[in-house]
Amino acid sequence: QVQLQESGPGLVKPSQTLSLTCTVSGGSISSGSYSWSWIRQPAGKGLEWIGRIYTSGSTNYNPSLKSRLTISADTSKNQFSLKLSSVTAADTAVYYCARDAGAGAPDYWGQGTLVTVSS
Amino acid sequence: ETTLTQSPAFMSATPGDKVNISCKASQDIDDDMNWYQQKPGEAAIFIIQEATTLVPGIPPRFSGSGYGTDFTLTINNIEAEDAAYYFCLQHDNFPLTFGQGTKLEIK
Repeated sequence: QVQLQESGPGLVKPSQTLSLTCTVSGGSISSGSYSWSWIRQPAGKGLEWIGRIYTSGSTNYNPSLKSRLTISADTSKNQFSLKLSSVTAADTAVYYCARDAGAGAPDYWGQGTLVTVSS
Repeated sequence: ETTLTQSPAFMSATPGDKVNISCKASQDIDDDMNWYQQKPGEAAIFIIQEATTLVPGIPPRFSGSGYGTDFTLTINNIEAEDAAYYFCLQHDNFPLTFGQGTKLEIK
């Protein structure tokens, strides 16, 4: 069974870059007809899809975040990563990584990691 | 962008009850609707795909219905372990969007 685990700093200063990594076990991120997504949820609010990377390396980003966002993959480590630049308090959220099944929607999720943007 | 309006935000049920959670899309999304269950501190679990198909391994007391703009997640014969946060997701168009979620409490 596929398992995903998010990791990264829990505290980021305003204007800096938020960096998270998702480590995948139980399957290779470079095989199969899957894509790999990031999703976030601010406290007390709904979920927001951030973006995804395909096995080809191509990406789709949420237009609301596109100018600040980079999603990349390291197939040698079976990891994919998120970088969000110029963060503000509005970027404080629990961040999830997920695998997208063939229909293009998540089937497996990580447990999530809380990132707080504060000085 | 497709807005999903999910209701109710909170509901309380007794074991054995039947509950319905609604998700309404702001535009036609065919059957590109999924439902998920999440418990605190745990990974979300995929329970319904393509509006009506039960994900393998999910108990048959869970079911989904709907097409186009109106969708429903139904849980029959509620059990204590069904206490969780439930949310819908549309994958018909970019960006993917989510409902606001429903917290289900079991008395």
